[in-house]
Amino acid sequence: DSGVTQTPKHLITATGQRVTLRCSPRSGDLSVYWYQQSLDQGLQFLIQYYNGEERAKGNILERFSAQQFPDLHSELNLSSLELGDSALYFCASSVGPPQVNEKLFFGSGTQLSVL
Amino acid sequence: DQQVKQNSPSLSVQEGRISILNCDYTNSMFDYFLWYKKYPAEGPTFLISISSIKDKNEDGRFTVFLNKSAKHLSLHIVPSQPGDSAVYFCAARALNNDMRFGAGTRLTVKP
Repeated sequence: DSGVTQTPKHLITATGQRVTLRCSPRSGDLSVYWYQQSLDQGLQFLIQYYNGEERAKGNILERFSAQQFPDLHSELNLSSLELGDSALYFCASSVGPPQVNEKLFFGSGTQLSVL
Repeated sequence: DQQVKQNSPSLSVQEGRISILNCDYTNSMFDYFLWYKKYPAEGPTFLISISSIKDKNEDGRFTVFLNKSAKHLSLHIVPSQPGDSAVYFCAARALNNDMRFGAGTRLTVKP
């Protein structure tokens, strides 16, 4: 158990809909990262937050947004969903502030299926 | 934009033998390299890492080698055990802290 909690574990929805994925980092961790893993793809970095502020942005679509709340949990909002958004979404946390030799601790992921 | 590449999607090895997983990268700004291991229905877990100032790091049965001139790193597992069967992700990080992952290699260790 990494200590990172992601809910829900599975989510099935239809195209055009909007969903929210939730992540609670390890106790004491200030940084939260979101990654997307599509079929046969590696972990694609989406976005990173540190202590409530956006720190880095990767290949995140404009239809997607995220935030980190004062209690340090984070939410990833996916809107106008398309079939291609079906993927496993991982949240990871680290102590922070982000450093090059920092290790990330991953949650078990949310499997999103867009039908 | 595949800055980290794992060209072998799968690898099968006999128990007790050596497993060698390879990873190539294109960004010369990467300064730190990590390997993560992932079991089904779980998130990736950190396995071993290496700084760009080193060429080898060892932790028990796991050794990571880094060849900066070739932009290549490898993970050696000796001896391989059935419990090592998992997907292994190579990751690289630059000073701006953007960590990039490869597509993963599925290792199967046969008893």
